[in-house]
Amino acid sequence: EPEVTQTPSHQVTQMGQEVILRCVPISNHLYFYWYRQILGQKVEFLVSFYNNEISEKSEIFDDQFSVERPDGSNFTLKIRSTKLEDSAMYFCASSGAGGLNEQFFGPGTRLTVL
Amino acid sequence: GESVGLHLPTLSVQEGDNSIINCAYSNSASDYFIWYKQESGKGPQFIIDIRSNMDKRQGQRVTVLLNKTVKHLSLQIAATQPGDSAVYFCAASIQGYQKVTFGTGTKLQVIP
Repeated sequence: EPEVTQTPSHQVTQMGQEVILRCVPISNHLYFYWYRQILGQKVEFLVSFYNNEISEKSEIFDDQFSVERPDGSNFTLKIRSTKLEDSAMYFCASSGAGGLNEQFFGPGTRLTVL
Repeated sequence: GESVGLHLPTLSVQEGDNSIINCAYSNSASDYFIWYKQESGKGPQFIIDIRSNMDKRQGQRVTVLLNKTVKHLSLQIAATQPGDSAVYFCAASIQGYQKVTFGTGTKLQVIP
């Protein structure tokens, strides 16, 4: 069964450093998403991406964040200058179509900012 | 904006009993609702969804009920099994938008 994969599973970084989280969505999917989950809290939408551009973003997704689909298979989330409060699980998801369709989630990357 | 909440943070049920997890949402424009299951160390896993033109939808051992009048939905799990132990999130969305707003989660504990 196809699945969304994410690397690394755990990333530790120093405050102020740049990090890139990587995702490989399901191959025939067209919509891609990033969510984050601070420990013990709910999952929060960050951004959706379609046709090589951001289609929606939340207020969390400020200028420190960017997304990219550098090739036909990867989807990345970059945090330019990490802050302590960026520590969270980051989930990538993909769906075959936008709007009202099932999103498939990856296993997540745990980001720890020291 | 939308806020989605769950009534109980933890629910303990005996194996074999039915479980009911409740959720309330605030935005009357929300018209698509999803239940996710999240096991420890994993990403959310889709369980079942329902559109606002329905008030009930059934899957394998799961049923979702939607009451648009009071902006409430519930997830019913029949014959709860130990493998059902997880955190369950309800989520809401609006047709035409990709953003999904998650609730805070209910931890379901199944007692063998």
